[in-house]
Amino acid sequence: AQSVAQPEDQVNVAEGNPLTVKCTYSVSGNPYLFWYVQYPNRGLQFLLKYITGDNLVKGSYGFEAEFNKSQTSFHLKKPSALVSDSALYFCAVRDSGGYQKVTFGTGTKLQVIP
Amino acid sequence: GAVVSQHPSRVICKSGTSVKIECRSLDFQATTMFWYRQFPKQSLMLMATSNEGSKATYEQGVEKDKFLINHASLTLSTLTVTSAHPEDSSFYICSAPSTGDLGEKLFFGSGTQLSVL
Repeated sequence: AQSVAQPEDQVNVAEGNPLTVKCTYSVSGNPYLFWYVQYPNRGLQFLLKYITGDNLVKGSYGFEAEFNKSQTSFHLKKPSALVSDSALYFCAVRDSGGYQKVTFGTGTKLQVIP
Repeated sequence: GAVVSQHPSRVICKSGTSVKIECRSLDFQATTMFWYRQFPKQSLMLMATSNEGSKATYEQGVEKDKFLINHASLTLSTLTVTSAHPEDSSFYICSAPSTGDLGEKLFFGSGTQLSVL
């Protein structure tokens, strides 16, 4: 079975400071890893993914994430937070096998303080 | 980019009535679509996988007779909540996976907030 853990329910960061949203995963095979963002009463929007290749993945809106196989982590980062980054962030994983079922973490609310 | 259209965005209904939610992939074909349920401040719970031309696959604990799924074409999947009760009130989200030129990702509808009175 595959699973995702987001240990922080909420992360607060001052505008202009770097931010990190943590994610660890468990999967039997090679992982496909994703980050999605959700704004209030909306669906989810894709931010970035890791499939293979460079461990540092760059995505939308200046976000990036680093795949660490030994620590089974895929933390989301941004060098300088914006107030508009405030939203709910979900980490997700699926096995690289054929079935496309994706498992989501519980989400982390990011609050960027002006 | 690819778009998944979901409607209605919000519906209020009386207990005992049925509600249909539509999910359309607008510019790509989706042989598979996923239906999720999200409770406030919680993650997405996968309810079922909708497969074009065949029966949906339901997750454990999800009542297939209550949550009817029809994947009528390569661009349309519907979720019908039958005989809705207040405990069915929730935020329902559909998604469609895409590969190929669009890359490995899920495209999400904007969600449907269902309130059962």
